Amino acid sequence: GQNIDQPTEMTATEGAIVQINCTYQTSGFNGLFWYQQHAGEAPTFLSYNVLDGLEEKGRFSSFLSRSKGYSYLLLKELQMKDSASYLCAVAGGSTLGRLYFGRGTQLTVWP
Amino acid sequence: EAQVTQNPRYLITVTGKKLTVTCSQNMNHEYMSWYRQDPGLGLRQIYYSMNVEVTDKGDVPEGYKVSRKEKRNFPLILESPSPNQTSLYFCASSHGQGNTEAFFGQGTRLTVV
Repeated sequence: GQNIDQPTEMTATEGAIVQINCTYQTSGFNGLFWYQQHAGEAPTFLSYNVLDGLEEKGRFSSFLSRSKGYSYLLLKELQMKDSASYLCAVAGGSTLGRLYFGRGTQLTVWP
Repeated sequence: EAQVTQNPRYLITVTGKKLTVTCSQNMNHEYMSWYRQDPGLGLRQIYYSMNVEVTDKGDVPEGYKVSRKEKRNFPLILESPSPNQTSLYFCASSHGQGNTEAFFGQGTRLTVV
């Protein structure tokens, strides 16, 4: 089976840095995604990692360790608008094309 | 504008009355899928399609049907809706075999009474 774990909730203050962790166990691995979802809206793509290491994109960075089945999303210089749910998703399965989502981490940024 | 369009956005229906939620994308994507999102359970895949006339079950396919007669459209059919299908539904599409960025529709909030 597929298992993707991430914390349910996190809080932080404006201007701070927060790291959201994701661990996974899947049959087949073809990359790990992070999506952002504001309440009542559709998920939007943040990052994709398929090789080990850190990918940086502005205030957001994502890290992957395939041997440990571990990823994190790092958000710097937090802003109020970053309050959202952050979804970890793994592409895998027998065809390597299935996308398996974690339950999401609800991040609240306080002023 | 590149987009995935779902209709309707909101729907209240009664148990047993067949309904279809439409999904259309204008990006010529091969891969399309349907998800439902429930509180505490996250996004769960219902069905997916890797190309025209190629569909397969996801994790929660019971009570749903799909078809992929054209590349751009991927409708979700509930032949006999039940209250446990009350949920927020998302259609998504991506290029290739599903391991690329997925674009999501706006969502359909379905209530079955």
